Amino acid sequence: DTGVSQNPRHKITKRGQNVTFRCDPISEHNRLYWYRQTLGQGPEFLTYFQNEAQLEKSRLLSDRFSAERPKGSFSTLEIQRTEQGDSAMYLCASSLLEETSFGPGTRLTVT
Amino acid sequence: GENVEQHPSTLSVQEGDSAVIKCTYSDSASNYFPWYKQELGKRPQLIIDIRSNVGEKKDQRIAVTLNKTAKHFSLHITETQPEDSAVYFCAASRRYQLIWGAGTKLIIKP
Repeated sequence: DTGVSQNPRHKITKRGQNVTFRCDPISEHNRLYWYRQTLGQGPEFLTYFQNEAQLEKSRLLSDRFSAERPKGSFSTLEIQRTEQGDSAMYLCASSLLEETSFGPGTRLTVT
Repeated sequence: GENVEQHPSTLSVQEGDSAVIKCTYSDSASNYFPWYKQELGKRPQLIIDIRSNVGEKKDQRIAVTLNKTAKHFSLHITETQPEDSAVYFCAASRRYQLIWGAGTKLIIKP
């Protein structure tokens, strides 16, 4: 499969725990995006990388969220001290030019 | 910043009829307008896109039109089929960042 992949696909965690998600973009894509989506809503932009540089971060993103793309390939999204409001689908996407392809998402449930 | 409004939020059409979903955007510098289809529990899938130097694009039963002056673009689906049932999102892009509409739930009635 040469598409965007994400791991894990599902994560259940207790409030206060830290979680980390991984995204592997399409290999030739230099741009990588993280979105959050809740039921019935559109994707909400979290952050964006061009190669290894994090170029933009949503103002809605609290300091509990951090993302990295150390070698300009895969990326990780960490959420510290999770809250119930963090429960959502976390989508990763990548692009070379404008056309953006999405991964299957990681569904996070915070209990 | 950019804002994208999408209407209607829900659209119910008889199988075989046409469906039209409309979006407006605020940033005149936006130059790329994709449409995504998202089935329940699945990832958004790009179904068609248009760039600002083009007024219309068609791919089989799906077409997109763009009016740059009015800053609106529309998705047209003809001869709708049950498998067209999904949530459709429009987006506008400038500098490679997508700003999304709120989505339209399309229901195809048999």
